[in-house]
Amino acid sequence: AQSVTQLGSHVSVSEGALVLLRCNYSSSVPPYLFWYVQYPNQGLQLLLKYTTGATLVKGINGFEAEFKKSETSFHLTKPSAHMSDAAEYFCAVSQSFQGAQKLVFGQGTRLTINP
Amino acid sequence: NAGVTQTPKFQVLKTGQSMTLQCAQDMNHEYMSWYRQDPGMGLRLIHYSVGAGITDQGEVPNGYNVSRSTTEDFPLRLLSAAPSQTSVYFCASSYGRPGRVPYEQYFGPGTRLTVT
Repeated sequence: AQSVTQLGSHVSVSEGALVLLRCNYSSSVPPYLFWYVQYPNQGLQLLLKYTTGATLVKGINGFEAEFKKSETSFHLTKPSAHMSDAAEYFCAVSQSFQGAQKLVFGQGTRLTINP
Repeated sequence: NAGVTQTPKFQVLKTGQSMTLQCAQDMNHEYMSWYRQDPGMGLRLIHYSVGAGITDQGEVPNGYNVSRSTTEDFPLRLLSAAPSQTSVYFCASSYGRPGRVPYEQYFGPGTRLTVT
């Protein structure tokens, strides 16, 4: 079964600094990987996804993630943090289960931006 | 399009009470699912449906029932509420028949449930 581990439940960076949120996955088959963002009191919104092809995936709001099969990682980055990036971020892997594709989520990382 | 809608936004129940959380989508999505979100545990799948009349259990199905009589609606029923069911519940939907590359899942705004 696939699983996802997000390293660090809380990450704090200064405005303008690099954002790096770590995600490692476990999968016996080529994975489909996702990053979702959750702003306070809202549902989840897709940031980006990797299915096949280019390993560097660009998403919304200046975020990108790189799929590294050798490291089983899918870390999320943004070169320069903005106050509006403060949110909780979830990494997820898509798992085939009884013919359906289901998402398995990591525990989440809360990102705080310091002015 | 309204997307995925959930009602109510907030609910307080006493132990042993039953209730139904409503979920509807207007995007003609085949796949719908219910998750619960608890601190430090991410989102965990409760039940899912790949089409009208077809439902199946997810990771944490105990204490919950679902049905899918139409493409649009996917209600979640709590049979006898327990304090352990205090959580935030999210409904999600997407295109995608079994076996295909997964499409984006669209999430509703959530229902915050407290069981006392």
